Amino acid sequence: QVQLQESGPGLVKPSETLSLTCSVSGYSISTGYYWGWVRQPPGKGLEWIGNVFHTGNKYYKASLKTRATVLMDTSKNQISLRLSSVTAADTAVYYCVRAGTGYYLDVWGKGTAVTVSS
Amino acid sequence: EIVLTQSPGTLSLSPGERATLSCRASQSVSSNYLAWYQQKPGQAPRLLIYGTSSRAAGLPYRFSGSGSGTDFTLTIDGLEPEDFAMYYCQHYGSSLFTFGPGTKVEIK
Repeated sequence: QVQLQESGPGLVKPSETLSLTCSVSGYSISTGYYWGWVRQPPGKGLEWIGNVFHTGNKYYKASLKTRATVLMDTSKNQISLRLSSVTAADTAVYYCVRAGTGYYLDVWGKGTAVTVSS
Repeated sequence: EIVLTQSPGTLSLSPGERATLSCRASQSVSSNYLAWYQQKPGQAPRLLIYGTSSRAAGLPYRFSGSGSGTDFTLTIDGLEPEDFAMYYCQHYGSSLFTFGPGTKVEIK
């Protein structure tokens, strides 16, 4: 059974870089699928941030492209998210996700809450 | 960029009733890449339907999906107490994932 576990600081200061890690168990990320991140601001809907394919190809939401980076570490079977120059608008629960072959998100982590505040 | 619109924003129904949730795309999309998710408070979303009409493993038969082109529907036949939640549609196209704003199904 594939499981995703997010980790990272719960509080980040404005203008700094948010860094999150997702540990994957039950599947080798170098084998296949898209791996990425979705976020949900408090009381709001879901927003896709970006994905990395097992080949290393990366795709991002246009409005976040200049600030977001999704990385794969196959040696640790982890993916990570870096979001630079954060503001209060980046306060959200961040979910690690796997996209199945039909590009639906079939596995989700439990999410990690991040607050941007000084 | 494709925009997904969901209606209604809130659906107030009683247990046992049928829920019909709509997801409309701003332009015609492939039915292969339209999915639905359920989210309960404090929980991660859960995949329900993919490829417009295929049920995720273990999903009760009361959940069904249909549609094509720009109009897609999630139907819940006979609401159970555990079905009252938020529902999101999602599309994949041009290497991008897009979510609709969601429909809340609440107890009347």
